[in-house]
Amino acid sequence: QLVLTQSPSASASLGASVKLTCTLSSGHSLYAIAWHQQRPEKGPRYLMKLNSDGSHTKGDGIPDRFSGSSSGAERYLTISSLQSEDEADYYCQTWGTGIRVFGGGTKLTVL
Amino acid sequence: EVQVVQSGTEVKKPGATVKIFCKVSGYTFTDRYMHWVQQAPGKGLEWMGLLDPEDGETSYAEKFQGRVTITADTSTATTYMELSSLRSDDTAVYYCATEGCSGGDCLLDHWGQGTLVTVSS
Repeated sequence: QLVLTQSPSASASLGASVKLTCTLSSGHSLYAIAWHQQRPEKGPRYLMKLNSDGSHTKGDGIPDRFSGSSSGAERYLTISSLQSEDEADYYCQTWGTGIRVFGGGTKLTVL
Repeated sequence: EVQVVQSGTEVKKPGATVKIFCKVSGYTFTDRYMHWVQQAPGKGLEWMGLLDPEDGETSYAEKFQGRVTITADTSTATTYMELSSLRSDDTAVYYCATEGCSGGDCLLDHWGQGTLVTVSS
């Protein structure tokens, strides 16, 4: 079964970097994923597509501070030079034939 | 520029049916899939289903199978989501999103603003 697992919460200081993790279920380690950002009281916003080899393609207008990487079944979203506007929920998401799956989301607090 | 605009807030009683919609612009409607995603209060995103506007083919998440119907009107580039037998735990914001697929990759890259559906007696 295709499942994405994320830690419920993360925190980092203003100006620092943070790395969020999304783990693919067993047997699905080669799947690409997408990262989405959801700021408080807003709709989701597509950030990037991230491949199993770590290559990634960002959506329109996504700052260079956002980057992705991969290792095995893990997919990472790194945000550098954290700003207050980065405080949000971050969801990973993947796809299969006739199915789409979201991770549970990580709530990022910027201290 | 791709735009996804959803219908407004709905209030329904338990057991009723709700039908909400989203209208897209900025691309050829039949070139991209349409999806609906549920977000209950304080919870994460849950995929409900998709429609291919080109042929009307749908696929639904097991959780919503039998209660959800997604349709489209290609003449107005509008997608509809109907949810029946409403319960209190269907109270949620429902998002519409458009997805482009290429070379096996499918990206949900444009989202609507969300539609709040409240189910209450």
